[in-house]
Amino acid sequence: AQRVTQPEKLLSVFKGAPVELKCNYSYSGSPELFWYVQYSRQRLQLLLRHISRESIKGFTADLNKGETSFHLKKPFAQEEDSAMYYCALRGSQGNLIFGKGTKLSVKP
Amino acid sequence: GAGVSQSPSNKVTEKGKDVELRCDPISGHTALYWYRQRLGQGLEFLIYFQGNSAPDKSGLPSDRFSAERTGESVSTLTIQRTQQEDSAVYLCASSLGSGAGELFFGEGSRLTVL
Repeated sequence: AQRVTQPEKLLSVFKGAPVELKCNYSYSGSPELFWYVQYSRQRLQLLLRHISRESIKGFTADLNKGETSFHLKKPFAQEEDSAMYYCALRGSQGNLIFGKGTKLSVKP
Repeated sequence: GAGVSQSPSNKVTEKGKDVELRCDPISGHTALYWYRQRLGQGLEFLIYFQGNSAPDKSGLPSDRFSAERTGESVSTLTIQRTQQEDSAVYLCASSLGSGAGELFFGEGSRLTVL
């Protein structure tokens, strides 16, 4: 089965604290994984993809095939990071399979 | 603008009525996706169009749901005999191709079934 699991519905941290949003996947073969973000009153948009190995807005995500994980991390959270974060997996048919999302709340 | 456009942005209907939701993808994007987002839930895949290939309809929840796409242009999602559980935000996205990675989303159509 092809599946994305985000175990936390809500994650609340203080400004300046490290943050890790968890994502686990189920896929046979080489996965293609993404993180999408939806800020308040904005469209859902791509944050980063694992093949680019990039850091966007201070966020990074490393694919761990052994643990089938693709956790999103940032060393020092900012208030503007508060948003809904979705982990996504490209399915074998080409569509994108999304997790249920984690709402990140960064308190001042 | 040049982004994905969806209409209507809001639709309130009575149980049992049919509704049509429209999506205008970004010009040149061959792939088009429909997702459903119920309150407090994640994005639920509905259907995926890629060029002239047969659409992937594996996510459609029942035969009351159908979608069409005209060439590589506009798509219409139709829900027949709406039920209260159909209330959700319906999101459309497009991408350059199935392997392109980045999906560009519309603002969604919020459907409320009374």
